[in-house]
Amino acid sequence: GAGVSQSPRYKVAKRGQDVALRCDPISGHVSLFWYQQALGQGPEFLTYFQNEAQLDKSGLPSDRFFAERPEGSVSTLKIQRTQQEDSAVYLCASSLDEGATKYEQFFGPGTRLTVL
Amino acid sequence: KQEVTQIPAALSVPEGENLVLNCSFTDSAIYNLQWFRQDPGKGLTSLLLIQSSQREQTSGRLNASLDKSSGRSTLYIAASQPGDSATYLCAVTGGSYIPTFGRGTSLIVHP
Repeated sequence: GAGVSQSPRYKVAKRGQDVALRCDPISGHVSLFWYQQALGQGPEFLTYFQNEAQLDKSGLPSDRFFAERPEGSVSTLKIQRTQQEDSAVYLCASSLDEGATKYEQFFGPGTRLTVL
Repeated sequence: KQEVTQIPAALSVPEGENLVLNCSFTDSAIYNLQWFRQDPGKGLTSLLLIQSSQREQTSGRLNASLDKSSGRSTLYIAASQPGDSATYLCAVTGGSYIPTFGRGTSLIVHP
């Protein structure tokens, strides 16, 4: 059984470049979350999808950050005009919305973004 | 706004010790609480999920308890092993269904 996958695992970008990070959730998981994790910190919420609907994007730090999940499965987090402060690990998680363990989050390995 | 605090921030113990990691939260109106482990350079691995109606969950050498009224959860690790070395994170989910994470406890178990 496949878990949550993310690609690329590592990304180095020059300041000002655009990047796109991909998340493949567990098949059948309705909810999908994006988090940003700085070194030594817990994950910070960025945005949340239920199927293809983006229900909350209050954690996106600026309008340079954009996320989509057009068909309710794969999601892409796009960062435009990257800045050095965007350097972090970007984590994706998915969860079921039913059953005894609903809302239990399953995480991917993350994408480590370094902006030079 | 929910705030989650984990104590201690770091812990170094000899192999075989029983450990208690603490997680406290400010808003007791939670849906669930989840404990994770994170190895360096990796994503988070779910350890235990406690629904708000439950008091504890057990998996192998791990036991997690939840006291909603006092805003506390503890993760108990029995007979610690070097392979338990990792960062342990707790996350609290409230009515918005968006988890709030603590900063984690970094655990080193030395042989």
